[in-house]
Amino acid sequence: DAKTTQPPSMDCAEGRAANLPCNHSTISGNEYVYWYRQIHSQGPQYIIHGLKNNETNEMASLIITEDRKSSTLILPHATLRDTAVYYCIVISNTGNQFYFGTGTSLTVIP
Amino acid sequence: DAGVIQSPRHEVTEMGQEVTLRCKPISGHDYLFWYRQTMMRGLELLIYFNNNVPIDDSGMPEDRFSAKMPNASFSTLKIQPSEPRDSAVYFCASSLVGRGRSPLHFGNGTRLTVT
Repeated sequence: DAKTTQPPSMDCAEGRAANLPCNHSTISGNEYVYWYRQIHSQGPQYIIHGLKNNETNEMASLIITEDRKSSTLILPHATLRDTAVYYCIVISNTGNQFYFGTGTSLTVIP
Repeated sequence: DAGVIQSPRHEVTEMGQEVTLRCKPISGHDYLFWYRQTMMRGLELLIYFNNNVPIDDSGMPEDRFSAKMPNASFSTLKIQPSEPRDSAVYFCASSLVGRGRSPLHFGNGTRLTVT
């Protein structure tokens, strides 16, 4: 599965959009991009995933570049409860091992 | 849907004792995963099952660890004997289908402390 690179930490003002980047330059055509977040002491929470097209759900939007080598998770109106570690994961449709890296620690500032 | 249910939430035991962690996956999910999380190593996949059958246990640290899934609604992770370095948060997750086509849904974990 492709390796992902994320910034270790980011800040975002409450009410503003949080844009979390992820590089996955070695991604192959059959690999999905998944985003999870983990709030302290809780289990990782699924946010969104995509293959080629941009995706949106009630939690966030996922923007995948045309070459699929990077993606951005967008939280449109960040709240204090969005403070968490965000993980970007790439997984192929032939594998089942979701590997979590170190993620991005997002702090939403009042 | 109650989500993935793990028990106990916290476990404190002495070195050498047997520890059993329990997991009830989401009904209808065919895949079950056990993860361990520590500050040093992050989230590590230990083992996963498909239709109650262990598929990949390459992440199990050593023979002291064993996992079973006797039926579709229950799995256990056992450590015998336990050691202080096993202290971690252990997560169970399930997914509807495999191969990246559906997300993992995690429980809230069991925090294990071995003294």
